Amino acid sequence: QSALTQPASVSGSPGQSITISCTGTSSDVGGYDYVSWYQQHPGKAPKLMIFEVTNRPSGVSNRFSGSKSGNTASLTISGLQAEDEADYYCNSYTSSSTLYVFGTGTKVTVL
Amino acid sequence: QVTLKESGPALVKPTQTLTLTCTFSGFSLSSSGMRASWIRQPPGKALEWLARIDWDDDKFYSTSLKTRLTISKDTSKNQVVLTMTNMDPVDTATYYCACTVADAYYCDYWGQGTLVTVSS
Repeated sequence: QSALTQPASVSGSPGQSITISCTGTSSDVGGYDYVSWYQQHPGKAPKLMIFEVTNRPSGVSNRFSGSKSGNTASLTISGLQAEDEADYYCNSYTSSSTLYVFGTGTKVTVL
Repeated sequence: QVTLKESGPALVKPTQTLTLTCTFSGFSLSSSGMRASWIRQPPGKALEWLARIDWDDDKFYSTSLKTRLTISKDTSKNQVVLTMTNMDPVDTATYYCACTVADAYYCDYWGQGTLVTVSS
């Protein structure tokens, strides 16, 4: 089972919007609405930002939104802020025997 | 408040078996809907899912590591244990336990992680 494909890095200026893509296959991202997104600051544990493609956990800013089209899921951060600078990982359930697959990770830089 | 804390050796030798324990508080491992996973992250690299155990004792493993992993739980101690055999330097990573109580395919609670180095 290969990792989901994410861009290595995405950057934007404060206040701008950025989108991170997460590309898989019909066996994972495209086949199920079980895509989640995690934010990870250096030296910290990941934090759930989006679950089941579009849902935000309580306490997560509404500047974070998720979507999916075909085999590609996306995380959009609007009104980019300095505190959003972190690594972001997508994750999906997969019908392959391994159950879950993570993305390759994207480093978000706020210019 | 749900909290998770990993514990285990910081250093293991090649070929040894690693045993990690995750201690949960704030809910019971036998609660319907509980799913606990182990996930690791080599230094500077991406997250990798390893194994999951559910409230009803169903167990699931990463295909690539299945032969080396065993996940179990002790509900009396509210702990989940992961063992990984035949450790190799490439297994050097921060190991996280994470869970949901929502019978879902995501983890909304995470431990702080524990760094395990494999070296002779």
